[in-house]
This record gives sequence, structure tokens and C-alpha cells, in this order.
Amino acid sequence: TQLLEQSPQFLSIQEGENLTVYCNSSSVFSSLQWYRQEPGEGPVLLVTVVTGGEVKKLKRLTFQFGDARKDSSLHITAAQPGDTGLYLCAGESTGGGNKLTFGTGTQLKVEL
Amino acid sequence: SAVISQKPSRDICQRGTSLTIQCQVDSQVTMMFWYRQQPGQSLTLIATANQGSEATYESGFVIDKFPISRPNLTFSTLTVSNMSPEDSSIYLCSVEDVYEQYFGPGTRLTVT
Repeated sequence: TQLLEQSPQFLSIQEGENLTVYCNSSSVFSSLQWYRQEPGEGPVLLVTVVTGGEVKKLKRLTFQFGDARKDSSLHITAAQPGDTGLYLCAGESTGGGNKLTFGTGTQLKVEL
Repeated sequence: SAVISQKPSRDICQRGTSLTIQCQVDSQVTMMFWYRQQPGQSLTLIATANQGSEATYESGFVIDKFPISRPNLTFSTLTVSNMSPEDSSIYLCSVEDVYEQYFGPGTRLTVT
């Protein structure tokens, strides 16, 4: 069974601070996706990383896929209250089938 | 990106009854997925539903409890049968569109 552990589980910070969320596994994934989910809504895809070592930037968000494609990180610079939400990583197995294994989740709260 | 709607958005049901959740997509898609999520926690895949074939269930989920229909490329239903309080959860459908997954807003089910 593939597991994706995220850390931290909860994070409460002040506006303007930086933060990093980690997503770790002992399994190799063909791709990894990051989602943000707000209460009452479904997860919204932020980014997909495919190549080991790949770095993608989306405004203040920086995503990195580990060289061995077993882990990933999400770094947010100068967090804003609008960044508040549940962040989920999800890995697609190398065996195909398009199934995603979701991480344990990181609940982020950014306060004024 | 695909736009997905779900009905109902929420429901309160008595134990022993069944509820059918509908998922409608604004475009034709091959693969649809059904997930379960406790509020603020990770997503667990229930089954994959491809049009024209039987749904494929994940470990711990069976067809008798969660029958799924997929009559065409834009629609699917998930039934939660003979409900118990343990079935209280958020149920989400998702679709794969150009190698990325998009989610509906979810159905929040409470079983009393």
C-alpha cells in the first residue's frame, strides 16, 4: 500500500510569514499533484509535477518534486489569509490506472 | 478543465436507508472516480467507474454497499446502501481530463 505522509498536519501562521509543507513516501510515483481545498468545496488542482527534481512556481507558491520521485514540497512565500485551506498532495502510481493516492493533508490557517 | 456538479449537496438520513448521489460533468470523460472524505482529512478512493464496464472497487469497499452506475460519458451515480452512522462523510466524485483530476463540490452525508 502506498502511503503519503504530510507534515505538518496543522499550521497556523501570521500574514506575511513563509511556510513549507512536506509530502513524503517510500514509494515512487510517476507524477505528483498538489491540491487546495476550502470548506464545502472539492479539492482544486494547483500543480502537477512529473520529472524528478522538477521545480514549478505559481505566483507565491513553489513546488518541488524529489529527485527520486518519492517526495515533494510546497513552499508559500508571504502567506495571505486567502491561502487558508486544506493542502493535499496526491501521487499517481507507476503502475498506471490513473489512480491517485492522497496524502494525509495539511490544514493551513493564515491570520491577519 | 471539467466542471462537475453533484446532487444533493448535503443530506441527513436515517440508518438502514439508502441514498443515491448524482455526479454530472459538462464534458465527456472516460474515467470517473468516487471518493470519501472526513471533514479536514484526506480522501479515500472508493471505486473507479468507466463507461461501459463494471466499476472497480478498492479494498474495503464492495458493490453491495456502494453500487455505482455509469450510463454515459457525462454522468454517474453512487448509492450508499443500508446506511449506518459510520457512513457519515463527504462523498466526492472526480473525473480525469487531459491527465489531470477535477473534483465536484462533494455531498455531505449525515446518518442518524
